[in-house]
Amino acid sequence: EAQVTQNPRYLITVTGKKLTVTCSQNMNHEYMSWYRQDPGLGLRQIYYSMNVEVTDKGDVPEGYKVSRKEKRNFPLILESPSPNQTSLYFCASSPEGVGRSSYNEQFFGPGTRLTVL
Amino acid sequence: TQLLEQSPQFLSIQEGENLTVYCNSSSVFSSLQWYRQEPGEGPVLLVTVVTGGEVKKLKRLTFQFGDARKDSSLHITAAQPGDTGLYLCAGELYRANGDYKLSFGAGTTVTVRA
Repeated sequence: EAQVTQNPRYLITVTGKKLTVTCSQNMNHEYMSWYRQDPGLGLRQIYYSMNVEVTDKGDVPEGYKVSRKEKRNFPLILESPSPNQTSLYFCASSPEGVGRSSYNEQFFGPGTRLTVL
Repeated sequence: TQLLEQSPQFLSIQEGENLTVYCNSSSVFSSLQWYRQEPGEGPVLLVTVVTGGEVKKLKRLTFQFGDARKDSSLHITAAQPGDTGLYLCAGELYRANGDYKLSFGAGTTVTVRA
């Protein structure tokens, strides 16, 4: 089954404790992206990757790191989490990018709900 | 402030009624997408509209892209409980580095009562 998987689905942690949220896709997509979703703010892009070893900042990259060492995986790293990073996080992938046509449909993972105390 | 404003924020209707959700902006978009998100899941793409004035139909859902490509609407005819969910619009914008990005609205929560 074609899918984007994220782990963990739920995480409660404390301020300053480094964590990694994993994301993996099995569709051989070149483009991968991380979003956070907060009430009243919609989805905001954190980082994206057009291909292996190519990553770029999105709209809200502060406090986050990513890596793209292989095509299928795109982990999100919070080196020193803070309470304002409490949010619902989504990983997404698409064949080549976003928009333009239905060919570039983004497939989203099921989400990771993170709480930083 | 949101680049894309969605209205209403919440909508609760009876099964069989019609509803319309609006997505407005002062920016011009290359294309606009509509997603539906159900609790505990990620958004799922419903449609992409590209041309100003374009109308697309997906069974009981009708999507319209404004002539100036700044706004869009989603109309559901004879809503069913299965239409319940969070509806998100997203506009495609050009980044300074040559890539494209999607700017999402905050969403409209639709509840269809049986």
